[in-house]
Amino acid sequence: QSVLTQPPSVSGAPGQRVTISCTGSSSNIGAGYDVHWYQNLPGTAPKLLIYGNTNRPSGVPDRFSGSKSGTSASLAITGLQAEDEADYYCQSYDSSLSGSVFGGGTKLTVL
Amino acid sequence: QVQLEESGGGLVKPGGSLRLSCAASGFTFSDYYMSWIRQAPGKGLEWVSYISSSGGTIYNADSVKGRFTISRDNAKNSLYLQMNSLRAEDTAVYFCARGGRARHMDVWGKGTTVTVSS
Repeated sequence: QSVLTQPPSVSGAPGQRVTISCTGSSSNIGAGYDVHWYQNLPGTAPKLLIYGNTNRPSGVPDRFSGSKSGTSASLAITGLQAEDEADYYCQSYDSSLSGSVFGGGTKLTVL
Repeated sequence: QVQLEESGGGLVKPGGSLRLSCAASGFTFSDYYMSWIRQAPGKGLEWVSYISSSGGTIYNADSVKGRFTISRDNAKNSLYLQMNSLRAEDTAVYFCARGGRARHMDVWGKGTTVTVSS
């Protein structure tokens, strides 16, 4: 049972827009801690997609965007491409655990 | 370029020990907090341990407290994870990453595989 809750899977056709939610609580996202997002392709290291809720590292396409409100955050992907098919994880900090926490991961399927 | 490379993984019996290493290059290692993250087969990411830039502050996940010890040698640009009293549930790919705790992790190694089995 992950501290941050994500849907197990989402899907969309090429060119469409999908969103992935990340729901936390008052000891993590709701306490004001930043949310970060990672893309994980099988057999590879996770790649930072969004940091500080809304910021994209250089090299990440602007098709990827992040938002945060209350105890939740979301990752949006527009103009879906086949190469976006991967697992996506949110990460924040939990004050009651004194450590980083991850969501359970969401598998994105491009139809 | 900025790079992290893990080593030291392998097959170990339950109750055994293993020491993982992570070699950093391409950036000023001593300026950064560092973390160990693991991913069990078919499972999600799990934060394991975190160490401040000087090594003076350390936090561990409850699942490894008292068994795993994170350390670093800034002179050697290296991060370590000493794993004792290993259990089957510690079987995972272990990644080192730059950053962590409340901060994002912007550089990751490719990971090293630890298998705990008799």
